[in-house]
Amino acid sequence: GDSVTQMEGPVTLSEEAFLTINCTYTATGYPSLFWYVQYPGEGLQLLLKATKADDKGSNKGFEATYRKETTSFHLEKGSVQVSDSAVYFCALPNAGGTSYGKLTFGQGTILTVHP
Amino acid sequence: DGGITQSPKYLFRKEGQNVTLSCEQNLNHDAMYWYRQDPGQGLRLIYYSQIVNDFQKGDIAEGYSVSREKKESFPLTVTSAQKNPTAFYLCASRETGGTDTQYFGPGTRLTVL
Repeated sequence: GDSVTQMEGPVTLSEEAFLTINCTYTATGYPSLFWYVQYPGEGLQLLLKATKADDKGSNKGFEATYRKETTSFHLEKGSVQVSDSAVYFCALPNAGGTSYGKLTFGQGTILTVHP
Repeated sequence: DGGITQSPKYLFRKEGQNVTLSCEQNLNHDAMYWYRQDPGQGLRLIYYSQIVNDFQKGDIAEGYSVSREKKESFPLTVTSAQKNPTAFYLCASRETGGTDTQYFGPGTRLTVL
């Protein structure tokens, strides 16, 4: 079945540092890929997405490129801010059958950014 | 504004009681989902519905029940059979076609007293 392996955390950085959170996946076919962000006590917000190989999703300074060859979708940001402190989830949707669209999530990576 | 609303934000339940969590969306999405999140863990799927009057069990359906009588609404009942219901519950809906993106509500935190 589908699976998502996400970089274990927590990750602690100083403000303006470079961020990478690794995500690799196994799936049938070539599904869309998503990154979600969850701030304390809130639901998940879609951060960015990519629909096909070599697509780059971007939003709020975050980027991730859909790499078919390495089955990866790593999240990057060049200069993090304190306000980026949150939990980040990589996810992919089931591509067929009665569970079509069901999301498989990584375990989540806790990011803490210090001033 | 289109979106997903969940109520209440916080819910306290005594042991042996059933409680119902509300989820409403005005995004005109056909598919809706319920997830459970425990501290420090990822999300696990409880139930989902691809269309009105139809729903399927997810990975951890025992002790939960749902209904889908209207497109906009997908309430979740946590029954007394659920042995460890204290958790954060998230509802989502999915746009059909295109990227199949799921959008989430703000969540309900359920605590058993």
